[in-house]
Amino acid sequence: AQSVAQPEDQVNVAEGNPLTVKCTYSVSGNPYLFWYVQYPNRGLQFLLKYITGDNLVKGSYGFEAEFNKSQTSFHLKKPSALVSDSALYFCAVRDPSNTGNQFYFGTGTSLTVIP
Amino acid sequence: GAGVSQSPRYKVAKRGQDVALRCDPISGHVSLFWYQQALGQGPEFLTYFQNEAQLDKSGLPSDRFFAERPEGSVSTLKIQRTQQEDSAVYLCASSLAVGGPRPQHFGDGTRLSIL
Repeated sequence: AQSVAQPEDQVNVAEGNPLTVKCTYSVSGNPYLFWYVQYPNRGLQFLLKYITGDNLVKGSYGFEAEFNKSQTSFHLKKPSALVSDSALYFCAVRDPSNTGNQFYFGTGTSLTVIP
Repeated sequence: GAGVSQSPRYKVAKRGQDVALRCDPISGHVSLFWYQQALGQGPEFLTYFQNEAQLDKSGLPSDRFFAERPEGSVSTLKIQRTQQEDSAVYLCASSLAVGGPRPQHFGDGTRLSIL
């Protein structure tokens, strides 16, 4: 079974400080991993993805994510948080060995950046 | 169009009524997905199309839910005899290719409220 866990419902960070949003996954094969951001009353916007290769993936708006196979984690990071980063963040996984194409999403983490 | 377009953005219906939600994917995108997002949750997969073929409908919660994409572009999600538990945001996503690591591009969703 494929699944994604986001252990923190809420993350608060001061503006200018580094931020981390955690994600762990469970798939039978080597996963494709994604991060999306959702602003109020909007759809999900793609931030970055991991396919293979370098464990540190860089994405949009200064975000990056670190893939750790031994810990089955794919944490989202940013060196310096902005107030405008406040939003809902979703981690998603797709198992390429599965013929289905859907993504499995976590329950989301609400990030608040405090001015 | 530039992005995935969904209409209506908001729909209020009385319990027992039928509703139809429309998705206009990015031009040329082969894959189309429907997700249901309950309040405070991540998107849950409903169904998937490759062109006009509905290849996976395992996520549809009941036989009251029906989706179609007759010409391989616009898709409609229909819910018959709506129930209060159908209240959610319905997200449509499209992707250029079949499978692989390509991200899915989401519309802003239709917020369905059943009274």
